Amino acid sequence: QLQLQESGPGLVKPPETLSLTCTVSGGSISSRNYYWGWIRQPPGKGLEWIGSIYYSGNTYYNPSLKSRVTISVDTSKNQFSLKLSSVTAADTAVYYCARLTTVIPHFDYWGQGTLVTVSS
Amino acid sequence: SYELTQPPSVSVSPGQTARITCSGDALSKQYAYWYQQKPGQAPVLVIYKDSERPSGIPERFSGSSSGTTVTLTISGVQAEDEADYYCQSADSSGTSVVFGGGTKLTVL
Repeated sequence: QLQLQESGPGLVKPPETLSLTCTVSGGSISSRNYYWGWIRQPPGKGLEWIGSIYYSGNTYYNPSLKSRVTISVDTSKNQFSLKLSSVTAADTAVYYCARLTTVIPHFDYWGQGTLVTVSS
Repeated sequence: SYELTQPPSVSVSPGQTARITCSGDALSKQYAYWYQQKPGQAPVLVIYKDSERPSGIPERFSGSSSGTTVTLTISGVQAEDEADYYCQSADSSGTSVVFGGGTKLTVL
């Protein structure tokens, strides 16, 4: 059974950089059939796609966040990571990592999510 | 970029049918997917490719598509179906993802 687990600081000061890692177990991140993505959800609000990465390193970002987002992959560790720079209180959210299928693009496996609070 | 529009809330009594719509120009060319999210939990896929149901999802969940609008239908709503529901689609390359704003389903 595939599992994804987010990890990283739960508190980030503005305007520092938010950094999270997603560890994939029970399957290979190098599968050609999937992308790997980050999604966030501010408290009481809806889901927002942040971006996705292929095992080869090809990245795809939400245009509204593109200038501040970097997603990377480490196939040797079966992990992928998110960096979001110049954070503000508006970036406070539960951050999810998830697997995105390629042919019919949807998220079929999700991590449990991790709350990141941006506050000084 | 493009948008998907959902009603903020839908309310039904137990045993009735709930219909949640999602509209967007991209839906005439791309499939839609539906997720159910209960408080404190990650979203769960309930419909893919407009109308397909993943294994383990009850038969009362169904989906349909017409033009630029897709609909999630829950027949014989149960109390346990009370949740937020999100539609999702992608651009023509499948690499840019968008979610609808979400609909809170209340079972009266």
